[in-house]
Amino acid sequence: DAKTTQPPSMDCAEGRAANLPCNHSTISGNEYVYWYRQIHSQGPQYIIHGLKNNETNEMASLIITEDRKSSTLILPHATLRDTAVYYCIVFNNYGGATNKLIFGTGTLLAVQP
Amino acid sequence: DTAVSQTPKYLVTQMGNDKSIKCEQNLGHDTMYWYKQDSKKFLKIMFSYNNKELIINETVPNRFSPKSPDKAHLNLHINSLELGDSAVYFCASSQGQGERGYTFGSGTRLTVV
Repeated sequence: DAKTTQPPSMDCAEGRAANLPCNHSTISGNEYVYWYRQIHSQGPQYIIHGLKNNETNEMASLIITEDRKSSTLILPHATLRDTAVYYCIVFNNYGGATNKLIFGTGTLLAVQP
Repeated sequence: DTAVSQTPKYLVTQMGNDKSIKCEQNLGHDTMYWYKQDSKKFLKIMFSYNNKELIINETVPNRFSPKSPDKAHLNLHINSLELGDSAVYFCASSQGQGERGYTFGSGTRLTVV
């Protein structure tokens, strides 16, 4: 079962920052926060992950609260091509071979022109 | 150039038939997965293989038989297809247990009529 809570949908204006929240209040010490997205008719795509420090890559930034109970994925300048379902997933990087990536229902981000 | 490729992209078949979906990855990953996405868009893991060895089998009917001839390939054979098998099937791969993220294929849309 997914251990995260995300809003079902959000809108964002093209060119503006999209801030996608995620609650993971039961996250344990070994669990990382991962974000994936699924653009319509495509396979899921890895975006970014982090443990407790903020992370940034070419796609997005990830802000994790100090208590690690929530996080925010930031797309700094959303484009129409960022319209997708965004999944926040907690994943134990030390869980061993039987570890598995479990998807919840995600947030449908609609970027408006 | 495609990292994880699945064939066919679309598959329409009659109930009771047997069909196979093929998956290949050229990333040098040692772990491969099959996920099923149903009509409600839930993504669920079915199987994972690490270095050709079955690691995860998520209570999938035994009509589904994965086969990994080498660590770059994971095929899915389905016997006696049923209407409820209609879904999009995604293959994915990762290095180790996926701490650097999974890479997904573009999916195979299976329709059983």
